[in-house]
Amino acid sequence: QKEVEQNSGPLSVPEGAIASLNCTYSDRGSQSFFWYRQYSGKSPELIMFIYSNGDKEDGRFTAQLNKASQYVSLLIRDSQPSDSATYLCAVNVYFGNEKLTFGTGTRLTIIP
Amino acid sequence: ETGVTQTPRHLVMGMTNKKSLKCEQHLGHNAMYWYKQSAKKPLELMFVYSLEERVENNSVPSRFSPECPNSSHLFLHLHTLQPEDSALYLCASSHGTDYGYTFGSGTRLTVV
Repeated sequence: QKEVEQNSGPLSVPEGAIASLNCTYSDRGSQSFFWYRQYSGKSPELIMFIYSNGDKEDGRFTAQLNKASQYVSLLIRDSQPSDSATYLCAVNVYFGNEKLTFGTGTRLTIIP
Repeated sequence: ETGVTQTPRHLVMGMTNKKSLKCEQHLGHNAMYWYKQSAKKPLELMFVYSLEERVENNSVPSRFSPECPNSSHLFLHLHTLQPEDSALYLCASSHGTDYGYTFGSGTRLTVV
């Protein structure tokens, strides 16, 4: 089983709609969860992090965490063409030293 | 200058060449990382340095040799690479994984 799983997509969403990106993880001891946005040819950029069960909102972005189900999601409201990118889910895993483990990413395309 | 700076941005090298990638962080972070990103694969952790000490070497071939002379600088020395080593090499830094990573802009490496 992969440590962090994401649907690779592509996920196509009409402009103005809600984009929903999902991620599951295997290590129940994980404490910190991150969403990175990566434009084509660019490096990943941190856009959201969440530590506690429930929702965390920042502008048009909402991160949702359910530790019992080992599930974290990112909602993007009022999707814009500039949101078209690959979204990487990352989870901290402690194996003697802490590191982030990344999913393969979901490619999101916003259709004007 | 702020953030994480990587040089060069692009590198083309032959299989017999020796080159080095450089990373510098201006964030006061205490950990630095090298990641490899190939098409359609998750980010692959290569090396982790915490307080200038290597704490993880993820079974990386010896043709990749890291160096961390101080907490702000990280190098990746390359020699006798193979075409399959062509990828985007990303440097990152952090102040503990609870805060996520800050990535550099990456070096796009092509081995010919």
